[in-house]
Amino acid sequence: KQEVTQIPAALSVPEGENLVLNCSFTDSAIYNLQWFRQDPGKGLTSLLLIQSSQREQTSGRLNASLDKSSGRSTLYIAASQPGDSATYLCAVRSQGGSEKLVFGKGTKLTVNP
Amino acid sequence: NAGVTQTPKFQVLKTGQSMTLQCAQDMNHNSMYWYRQDPGMGLRLIYYSASEGTTDKGEVPNGYNVSRLNKREFSLRLESAAPSQTSVYFCASSSTIWGSGNTIYFGEGSWLTVV
Repeated sequence: KQEVTQIPAALSVPEGENLVLNCSFTDSAIYNLQWFRQDPGKGLTSLLLIQSSQREQTSGRLNASLDKSSGRSTLYIAASQPGDSATYLCAVRSQGGSEKLVFGKGTKLTVNP
Repeated sequence: NAGVTQTPKFQVLKTGQSMTLQCAQDMNHNSMYWYRQDPGMGLRLIYYSASEGTTDKGEVPNGYNVSRLNKREFSLRLESAAPSQTSVYFCASSSTIWGSGNTIYFGEGSWLTVV
């Protein structure tokens, strides 16, 4: 059974800092891994999707990497801003149960002005 | 662009009442999903529909039923609401359930309280 863990559960940083969010998964047989952002009281917004054959994806100040063999992904946020404050979730689509995304519990990020 | 639209956004039910959450997507996606999100539990799949005309149970289907009305619409019904069904419900859709390149898109959520 696929399990996804995100550490830390919460993170508070000063504005301008570069930061890394971590996601680990137990079964490396995956189709893809997706990073989402969730603002309070809102739905999930997809940030980046990394296919199993890819090592990383970039969008603006965001860079996500994937190391399938070690079961890890990182989301790097450069030059953080207060507007980046949100909960970040990663989700894995496993090959064994492809209809199901298995989510981590998220990292709550606070960027202080 | 509307994307995935859910209604209602907020609802309070009494134990034993029934209700239906509606979801529609305008992206011509084949696959649709219902998730619930609870503190400390993360998001869990209730039901999904891989394509029009098919539905299947997810991780936590007990107490729910679904209908894939057409390609656009996927509804979630609580036949006899229980306090344990107090949660935030999210509808989502993706092009298909297969393949590695499919991004999943979520609605804004429906906050349901059962008293």
